[in-house]
Amino acid sequence: GQNIDQPTEMTATEGAIVQINCTYQTSGFNGLFWYQQHAGEAPTFLSYNVLDGLEEKGRFSSFLSRSKGYSYLLLKELQMKDSASCLCAVRDSNYQLIWGAGTKLIIKP
Amino acid sequence: ETGVTQSPTHLIKTRGQQVTLRCSSQSGHNTVSWYQQALGQGPQFIFQYYREEENGRGNFPPRFSGLQFPNYSSELNVNALELDDSALYLCASSLEGSSSGANVLTFGAGSRLTVL
Repeated sequence: GQNIDQPTEMTATEGAIVQINCTYQTSGFNGLFWYQQHAGEAPTFLSYNVLDGLEEKGRFSSFLSRSKGYSYLLLKELQMKDSASCLCAVRDSNYQLIWGAGTKLIIKP
Repeated sequence: ETGVTQSPTHLIKTRGQQVTLRCSSQSGHNTVSWYQQALGQGPQFIFQYYREEENGRGNFPPRFSGLQFPNYSSELNVNALELDDSALYLCASSLEGSSSGANVLTFGAGSRLTVL
């Protein structure tokens, strides 16, 4: 079966850095996405990786290793507004998105 | 540029009833997909519509059905509602066939369905 694993919850301090890991086992691979979802709101796009390596976008970076079935999302200079669920999703061979359960990120002052 | 809008935002139904949820795509997008999100879980893919045809379906029974209209808006219909159908239903639009390759989804805020 297809599986996306990410930690259930992480806590970090305002101004610090946090890394959220995602491992996946899917039938085929056509890209990996990170989305952010604040409580009661729609998921919003953060990053996309299809080739190995690091993609940087302001305070957010995402890394991919296809051979290891592994990605991480790195958030720098954490702000209170970063408190949200971070969702990892992989597009499989049928171009369908398979989603992880999300990592609830809690930022403390 | 308008985003994705969904209606209704909240609704309560009883077991056995039928429900229709509606979605207006983001301007310029040609593809709509629907997801079910249970509390504390990631979205589960229900199906996707492109050019008014279903072109992908997740592991959901036939009582989940949909439509896409010429203006790219969409409906999700669920018949014979069950208690486990209680969830947030998310609609997302995207532009398939673009050269960017990412085909990023733009989500609506969702319709929260409670089945009693």
